[in-house]
Amino acid sequence: DSGVTQTPKHLITATGQRVTLRCSPRSGDLSVYWYQQSLDQGLQFLIQYYNGEERAKGNILERFSAQQFPDLHSELNLSSLELGDSALYFCASSVGSSGSPVGTGELFFGEGSRLTVL
Amino acid sequence: QKEVEQDPGPLSVPEGAIVSLNCTYSNSAFQYFMWYRQYSRKGPELLMYTYSSGNKEDGRFTAQVDKSSKYISLFIRDSQPSDSATYLCAMSKGYSSASKIIFGSGTRLSIRP
Repeated sequence: DSGVTQTPKHLITATGQRVTLRCSPRSGDLSVYWYQQSLDQGLQFLIQYYNGEERAKGNILERFSAQQFPDLHSELNLSSLELGDSALYFCASSVGSSGSPVGTGELFFGEGSRLTVL
Repeated sequence: QKEVEQDPGPLSVPEGAIVSLNCTYSNSAFQYFMWYRQYSRKGPELLMYTYSSGNKEDGRFTAQVDKSSKYISLFIRDSQPSDSATYLCAMSKGYSSASKIIFGSGTRLSIRP
C-alpha cells in the first residue's frame, strides 16, 4: 500500500458529462501529480500541485482542471468528456516538489481511477 | 516518433529464467533512467534508478544503461511468478522534477510457474 488514496476506483459515464476524481496524498507529502495512462500513449503527466499551488503543467487538455486544497487532497475535474478520455487516471505524491528519485523524493502512486466514457 | 520506445509484449517466460526488458530512446540529453513495476490494478512503483551509463544491481535485478546506443535494459535473474507485472522504463534530463520524467508505455511480463 503506497498510502495514496484515489476515489472512485471505477467510473462509467457518457460523452459530454463531467466527472471529478479525488486523491489523498501520503501523510506529509506536499506534492500531488496527476497522470493519464492509456494503452497507446502510456503514462502521461498532466499536472502537479505543490502545497496548494500549481507547480508544473503537462499535456493537460483545457477541458481538464485540477486543484489542491488546504488539507492537501486534490481533485481532477474532467468535463465535456469524449470517448478518447477513457483511461486510467493516476495520482501520485511526493514529499518535496521534485518527485524525482534523485531529487527530494520518489513518486508514490495511488491505485488509479478507471474512467470509461460511453 | 516517441521519445521513449518500449516493446509492449506480452513476454512470457518460465520460472527461473533470466528476463531482459529493454527501452530505446531518441533524446541524448536524458541522464537519469528509472524502472517502475506496475502490478495489475495497481499504480506504478519505483524499482530502480541509475544515472548516466553503467550497471546497477539490486538483488535479482540489474539495470543497464548504454548511452552511446541510447538503450537501457532491466535484467531479472531467477524470475519468480511474483515478478509478473508491467515494467515501465522512464527517463529524464535532470533531477529537478517528476514533471519532466518521460515514461515508456510498458512491457507486460508473465512468469509461468
